[in-house]
Amino acid sequence: GAVVSQHPSRVICKSGTSVKIECRSLDFQATTMFWYRQFPKQSLMLMATSNEGSKATYEQGVEKDKFLINHASLTLSTLTVTSAHPEDSSFYICSAYLAGEVQYFGPGTRLTVL
Amino acid sequence: SQQGEEDPQALSIQEGENATMNCSYKTSINNLQWYRQNSGRGLVHLILIRSNEREKHSGRLRVTLDTSKKSSSLLITASRAADTASYFCAFHIIQGAQKLVFGQGTRLTINP
Repeated sequence: GAVVSQHPSRVICKSGTSVKIECRSLDFQATTMFWYRQFPKQSLMLMATSNEGSKATYEQGVEKDKFLINHASLTLSTLTVTSAHPEDSSFYICSAYLAGEVQYFGPGTRLTVL
Repeated sequence: SQQGEEDPQALSIQEGENATMNCSYKTSINNLQWYRQNSGRGLVHLILIRSNEREKHSGRLRVTLDTSKKSSSLLITASRAADTASYFCAFHIIQGAQKLVFGQGTRLTINP
């Protein structure tokens, strides 16, 4: 089946630093990937749609200068949280479509900003 | 908000009983999907039902969709302790680009 990986699985950083999260489709090519954010005991909120070779599309209320997305190849999208603050602490999950309507999700990255 | 609503927010039942979760949405959809999430993990796709379908089965799962009421239900029969997880409905919409909008989720606990 389709496998999506994320790295790192956990990251702890100091306030003000930037953190990069990688999302890879391991056995398929993904022209489109998605980045979600999930707070404890809450649902997933779509942050942005990452398009290979072009700019990401951000959802309303998501700061594009704060959450930088790069989709440089058909198997890799990265999310960089710039100048992270404690309120950015969350569970970040990526996903990708494989030829259809079903999204395959990565295992998530737990970000803790001190 | 486009986000779907689910009820109950939490459900605790005995092993062997059936579990029913409901989801409602507000916009037109292409399809509706159900996902499962174990604590602190990614999501696993369970089942997809298209807007022109009314019912679908997959193993112990049964999904219904009522587009006139903009609602769906997920039934898990003969529950097992391993079914303990959070369950999310997600509706697939096309507004320029495709995207999934998730419901608030139901935390299901199966007691042995």
